[in-house]
Amino acid sequence: QSALTQPASVSGSPGQSITISCTGTSSDVAGYNYVSWYQQHPGKVPKLVIYEVTNRPSGISSRFSGSKSDNTASLTISGLQAEDEADYYCSSYTAATTWVFGGGTKLTVL
Amino acid sequence: EVQLVESGGGLVQPGGSLRLSCAASGYTFSGDWMHWVRQAPGKGLVWVARITGSGAGTSYADFVKGRFTISRDNPRDTLFLQLNNLGAEDTAIYFCGRGQFYAMTVWGQGTTVTVSS
Repeated sequence: QSALTQPASVSGSPGQSITISCTGTSSDVAGYNYVSWYQQHPGKVPKLVIYEVTNRPSGISSRFSGSKSDNTASLTISGLQAEDEADYYCSSYTAATTWVFGGGTKLTVL
Repeated sequence: EVQLVESGGGLVQPGGSLRLSCAASGYTFSGDWMHWVRQAPGKGLVWVARITGSGAGTSYADFVKGRFTISRDNPRDTLFLQLNNLGAEDTAIYFCGRGQFYAMTVWGQGTTVTVSS
C-alpha cells in the first residue's frame, strides 16, 4: 500500500489555473474510476472537492475539475483565488479493497 | 444536517489501548460505509479502515497488523475503532468519514490520540 505520488507544492497567481498530479499504479488509480480529492486548510477538517475522478459534490465551485489518464489523476483549479490556498490530497480505491492517499500538495496563491 | 462527532481520544502509554467513537446524525447511518483516517502531527492523511453499512465487511491498512478493529452499532448510529498495542507512531488525529461513491463525503472534527510514556 504505497502512497500515491503528489508534488510537494504548487503555486499560482490569482486568476491563473494550476494542476496537481497524483500518480499511482495499475492496482489503484489506473484500475478504478474511484479517485477523490480533498482540500484541507490549516487546522481544519478535510473537505471533499472531487469524487469518482470528475464529479463535484454539491456546493463545490465549478472552478475545481478532475481528470485521469492511465495511472495519473489530476486536479485543476481555474481562476485561482486566495481562499484556495490549502493542502490538497488525492485518494484512490485499490485492488486490495483498501484506500490509499497521496502525500499531499501545498497550494500557495502568490 | 449530516454530522459526525468523534470522541475517545487521549493520552495513552505505549502498549496501551483506546476505543474511539464516532456518533453520526442527520442521515440513515446503516445505509453507508464508514471510514477511519488518521493524520500525524504535521503529516498527511492516511487511511486506516473501512466498514460496510451492515458491519459484515471490513478492510484495514497494512500497518494496522491486527492491532485495530473497526465496528459499528447501527441502532445507536455509532462507529467505533478499537486501538490495541499502541506505539508512538500511532500518535495522530483520528477522523471518521462517511463513505459514499468510494470517497469520504463528510468528515468529523477528529479526536486526538497521543501515545507517550
